[in-house]
Amino acid sequence: NAGVTQTPKFQVLKTGQSMTLQCAQDMNHNSMYWYRQDPGMGLRLIYYSASEGTTDKGEVPNGYNVSRLNKREFSLRLESAAPSQTSVYFCASSSWVNSNQPQHFGDGTRLSIL
Amino acid sequence: DQQVKQNSPSLSVQEGRISILNCDYTNSMFDYFLWYKKYPAEGPTFLISISSIKDKNEDGRFTVFLNKSAKHLSLHIVPSQPGDSAVYFCAALGPGGSYIPTFGRGTSLIVHP
Repeated sequence: NAGVTQTPKFQVLKTGQSMTLQCAQDMNHNSMYWYRQDPGMGLRLIYYSASEGTTDKGEVPNGYNVSRLNKREFSLRLESAAPSQTSVYFCASSSWVNSNQPQHFGDGTRLSIL
Repeated sequence: DQQVKQNSPSLSVQEGRISILNCDYTNSMFDYFLWYKKYPAEGPTFLISISSIKDKNEDGRFTVFLNKSAKHLSLHIVPSQPGDSAVYFCAALGPGGSYIPTFGRGTSLIVHP
């Protein structure tokens, strides 16, 4: 059982390049999330999708777009990468956004922007 | 303004002793709390949770205590083991902040053999 799978695991970009981070879950969860983790900053929510067909902004959405492709997949796109977007990105899923069920996380994408 | 605070960035403990990780919150609407554990190069994994209607929840070596009046919770690990060395995140849920968790900044626990 893979859980939440993120690709790629590592990526180096140049400023201004675009990139899409992929995330897929196999737990039949309805809700999916994108976080970024920076040193000393904990996990900050970028966007989330409460259910297939819906997306909403989180705490730090600027510079990002998302697509909930289907129930399994939720992608994060950087249209014009900036050095401030250098971070570790985590995708997570949970059964429903309005529940106490814990989130399940992928192992992250480490993104460096030069 | 941080609604969930983990004021100790790091904690060092000897194997076999108790580890106590602390978390404070400011939003009185939070009604459910979770702890996650994160190893390097891996995603966070759920460890233990507690509802605001309880003041204690225990799972093996891990116990979480909640003091609602103080808006404080703590995670106790007894006895601590070297494999417990990780970053621990506190997270809070509740209708006031929706059921999307608000995370603290984490505490890095090092357990020395």
